[in-house]
Amino acid sequence: QVQLVQSGAEVKKPGASVKVSCEASAYTFTGYYINWVRQAPGQGLEWMGWINPNSGVTKYAQKFQGRVTVTSDTSISTAYMEVTNLRSDDTALYYCARSLGYDREWDFWGQGTLVTVSS
Amino acid sequence: QSVLTQPPSASGTPGQRVTISCSGSSSIIGSNYVYWYQQLPGAAPKLLIYRNNQRPSGVPDRFSGSKSATSASLAISGLRSEDEADYYCATWDDSLSAYWVFGGGTKLTVL
Repeated sequence: QVQLVQSGAEVKKPGASVKVSCEASAYTFTGYYINWVRQAPGQGLEWMGWINPNSGVTKYAQKFQGRVTVTSDTSISTAYMEVTNLRSDDTALYYCARSLGYDREWDFWGQGTLVTVSS
Repeated sequence: QSVLTQPPSASGTPGQRVTISCSGSSSIIGSNYVYWYQQLPGAAPKLLIYRNNQRPSGVPDRFSGSKSATSASLAISGLRSEDEADYYCATWDDSLSAYWVFGGGTKLTVL
């Protein structure tokens, strides 16, 4: 069955960077976009960006432009999301989810990766 | 302040029908598909409704979606205790600074 398995929880200091991975299985990785969304404690969902693994094209929410980078490695069916210059308000659960197109529904989600930013 | 507005909470008793609204401007809601996601406590969100009113396979027909020019609604009939969750509406529009936007979420309590 389709699975997106994310890397484990991270604890980082302010100013550091974090890179979260999302490994896909049981489907053609290059046939679907990978989206990234985050959820701060007790808050709602916030879209960060997506990547088309087939072309490498990315799109980011304006809020995250310049601080978030999404990449993929098709040889191992894995997408990555890196956030630089971390702040305390970046503490959140980060999710990846696949979609057939950039404007299509997100039909499978990863389990989430908790990133805690604390001095 | 989200582009999509949802009530923060909703409630119902088992067997009841409840609706959750998602409102926005006609240029956003009216021009784009609306999606609904269910997030059970401690779990990742799950796709519930896509393209306004389509159910993925495996989603019970107790869940239904609808849309008008400026709002969308999620209806849950025959409410069950396992429906207690957070529900989010979402839409996509390339005129937005964030191409995908979510409503603030509605916490559904089954009394």
